[in-house]
Amino acid sequence: AQKVTQAQTEISVVEKEDVTLDCVYETRDTTYYLFWYKQPPSGELVFLIRRNSFDEQNEISGRYSWNFQKSTSSFNFTITASQVVDSAVYFCALCSGNTGKLIFGQGTTLQVKP
Amino acid sequence: EPEVTQTPSHQVTQMGQEVILRCVPISNHLYFYWYRQILGQKVEFLVSFYNNEISEKSEIFDDQFSVERPDGSNFTLKIRSTKLEDSAMYFCASSETGLGAYNEQFFGPGTRLTVL
Repeated sequence: AQKVTQAQTEISVVEKEDVTLDCVYETRDTTYYLFWYKQPPSGELVFLIRRNSFDEQNEISGRYSWNFQKSTSSFNFTITASQVVDSAVYFCALCSGNTGKLIFGQGTTLQVKP
Repeated sequence: EPEVTQTPSHQVTQMGQEVILRCVPISNHLYFYWYRQILGQKVEFLVSFYNNEISEKSEIFDDQFSVERPDGSNFTLKIRSTKLEDSAMYFCASSETGLGAYNEQFFGPGTRLTVL
């Protein structure tokens, strides 16, 4: 079975704090991809990052960083020095079939207060 | 920058009516998808479409739903007889590949469907 779990329903931080969003996934496939999408209040889904199952190298991109650990089936996402504009719902998603189907987690609502 | 577009942005319909939601995927993409998001809930996969046929569908995608690529640019989702529980945001997405490099899916802005 394929499943994505985002245990944090809502997180509230004050601007400039660092925040980490957790994601745990389940799949029996050896080849799969993990994604993070952002859904701001306007409602669209914005692609942030993709990682494949063979690439455990973690990356920093500006204020964003990702921590992919196959041993714990986790793909966590960190925002450094959060800003009010980061307020959104963040979805972690898994893709492991040839059809490209994305399986989304429940989403984590991040509120960054000024 | 190329983007996925969807029309209309908001559709209100009466229960039992047919609706067609339209999408124009990114032009060089080959895989097309529909997802839905009931208000406040997670995004759910409905159907994937490649090479002019459905490649996978979820249990949500029953006989009331159909998809079509009527020409070289549009990708449509039809709901034959809408129910109250079909009220949701419907997202279209497209990607260059299904699994592998360049499989990131780019989403349209969504169509909010309200069934009364």
